Formats: sequence, C-alpha cells, structure tokens
Amino acid sequence: GQQLNQSPQSMFIQEGEDVSMNCTSSSIFNTWLWYKQDPGEGPVLLIALYKAGELTSNGRLTAQFGITRKDSFLNISASIPSDVGIYFCAGAAGGTSYGKLTFGQGTILTVHP
Amino acid sequence: GAVVSQHPSRVICKSGTSVKIECRSLDFQATTMFWYRQFPKQSLMLMATSNEGSKATYEQGVEKDKFLINHASLTLSTLTVTSAHPEDSSFYICSASSHLTSPLHFGNGTRLTVT
Repeated sequence: GQQLNQSPQSMFIQEGEDVSMNCTSSSIFNTWLWYKQDPGEGPVLLIALYKAGELTSNGRLTAQFGITRKDSFLNISASIPSDVGIYFCAGAAGGTSYGKLTFGQGTILTVHP
Repeated sequence: GAVVSQHPSRVICKSGTSVKIECRSLDFQATTMFWYRQFPKQSLMLMATSNEGSKATYEQGVEKDKFLINHASLTLSTLTVTSAHPEDSSFYICSASSHLTSPLHFGNGTRLTVT
C-alpha cells in the first residue's frame, strides 16, 4: 500500500527560528494536506494543496506540493511557543478515494522560549 | 468553517461491553465520513469509510463485525466497538467533508480505555 515517509521525527528549536519538515511518498498523490495535532485532540487542518507545484501560505506557514506529486514540505517561519505540537502530512489519491488519507509518521515540534 | 463534533471525548468501559461513538457534522452535510484510529505516539490509521445510506467500507485488517458503523443521516455517523477488549483501547477520530473537493476536517477524537 501507499506509504508516506515524514522527516524529521522530532525537532527541538529556539523561539524565532524557522522550521522545515517534509514528506515523501512511494506513489503519487493528488492532494497533500498538512495538519497539526495537540495532545488529546483531533488534527487541525493547516494547509491543503491540490496542484503539483502549488505553493501556499497560511500566516507563518508555507507548504508546497512537489512537482512529481510524490512529496511536499511545510515551513514555519519565526516559530513561537504555541507552535509546539505534532505535525502530520497526509496524502489523498483523489476521486472517490479523496477522503482516504494516508498519514505520515508525524514530526514532534518543541519550541524553547 | 466546517466543524465536526465527536462524542464522547473520553470513555472507560469494562472488557466485554460495547461502546458507541458519535460523529456529527455541525454545519454541513457529509455524505461520507471516515473513521481513524491512533495508538499512542503513532500516526492515524484509516479504519473505514462510512457512506450515508449504505454499508461502510472497511480497510484491510479491520473487523467489520467488531467495529460497527452506521451512517443513518447526512450529519451523523456512529462507530460501535463491540465486545471491547483492552487492546481496543485507542484514540478514535472521525473526519468528514462536505464534498469531494473540500479538505477534510476532523473531530476532536474519543479516548477509549477498556479495563
């Protein structure tokens, strides 16, 4: 089946630093999504990408849908303590299986004040 | 924005009993909802696709007789864990979308503990 490799697994950074994480896939996805999950809660959608090459920003967050449709990255600029959490990439094949998301393993982000 | 509500947020039950979890789309109609399971420090794994008015589609390895899914209306899907055992203890999360091209929104999850 489809697999997503997300890296890094964890990051420890100082407040104000920029963060970058990425996901690669063994197969093509038609949609890439990035979520943030806080402990004990469901994932919250950060950015959705629908077209190969698409670059989308949401405040301090920027994500890109790779040209090959097999990868995506998420950048967070000028990190703040509330950025702490687990970030997941997710891919969808599209069509009738649009909602069937394959998730990456997650990146645990820790921000030191 | 689209809101998905799950209830209960936490449940503790004894081994052998059944537990029902509800997933509601609050401000949109969801013909399809999805149920995921997440074990501690792991990623989300899709269990099944819930289709309004028809049978759910289960992922490989998920027992359909153990995890009963009912999607009786466009705003409600339920997951019933039957004869729960300690190994069923997990975080169960549903998601829903208003139409195929919308991004998925997730509920806040249900923490199930089976003693």
